Amino acid sequence: DVKVTQSSRYLVKRTGEKVFLECVQDMDHENMFWYRQDPGLGLRLIYFSYDVKMKEKGDIPEGYSVSREKKERFSLILESASTNQTSMYLCASSLYLGGTPETQYFGPGTRLLVL
Amino acid sequence: GENVEQHPSTLSVQEGDSAVIKCTYSDSASNYFPWYKQELGKRPQLIIDIRSNVGEKKDQRIAVTLNKTAKHFSLHITETQPEDSAVYFCAASIPGGYQKVTFGTGTKLQVIP
Repeated sequence: DVKVTQSSRYLVKRTGEKVFLECVQDMDHENMFWYRQDPGLGLRLIYFSYDVKMKEKGDIPEGYSVSREKKERFSLILESASTNQTSMYLCASSLYLGGTPETQYFGPGTRLLVL
Repeated sequence: GENVEQHPSTLSVQEGDSAVIKCTYSDSASNYFPWYKQELGKRPQLIIDIRSNVGEKKDQRIAVTLNKTAKHFSLHITETQPEDSAVYFCAASIPGGYQKVTFGTGTKLQVIP
């Protein structure tokens, strides 16, 4: 069974703080993704990574950065948290088998509140 | 980039009735269309997917249909049960080296016992 874990379920931070969200997967997946989920907006891709130290911007990368130093770990960084970054953050991973996408396995999510 | 629209945003059905959720996509190159189910307080999980070389796929009470000409695909749930109550997301993916998918905005399905 694929297991994707996230470092925190709930997080409360102050405006301007630097925030780290961590995601770990145990199935040796090449691809990892960070999404934010907001009511009525669905799942929006922030960043994704297809290999160690490789990253690509998603649809809403502004205000975020990522780090992937090890294959199993993908970190999302909010450089200076703002109230409009209050959201549910979901990490996902998937296997790479060639050109076509494979199932994405999601973590439990981190609900971030920025005050 | 790809744009996926999903309708309706909310859907209420009586237990035992059928439910249909529809999605349209913008990029005709898209060739992979998964559906994810997210129960309240839980993570999204894949329930069914379809690739562009087929027009329909079934798995027990769930089916997905794809019309590539019209660029739309639909999820059909028959004989709905209370445990089908959840948010459903459709998605589409363009072939290529990067395996990102673009999600729709979600449909909250409520099955009334």
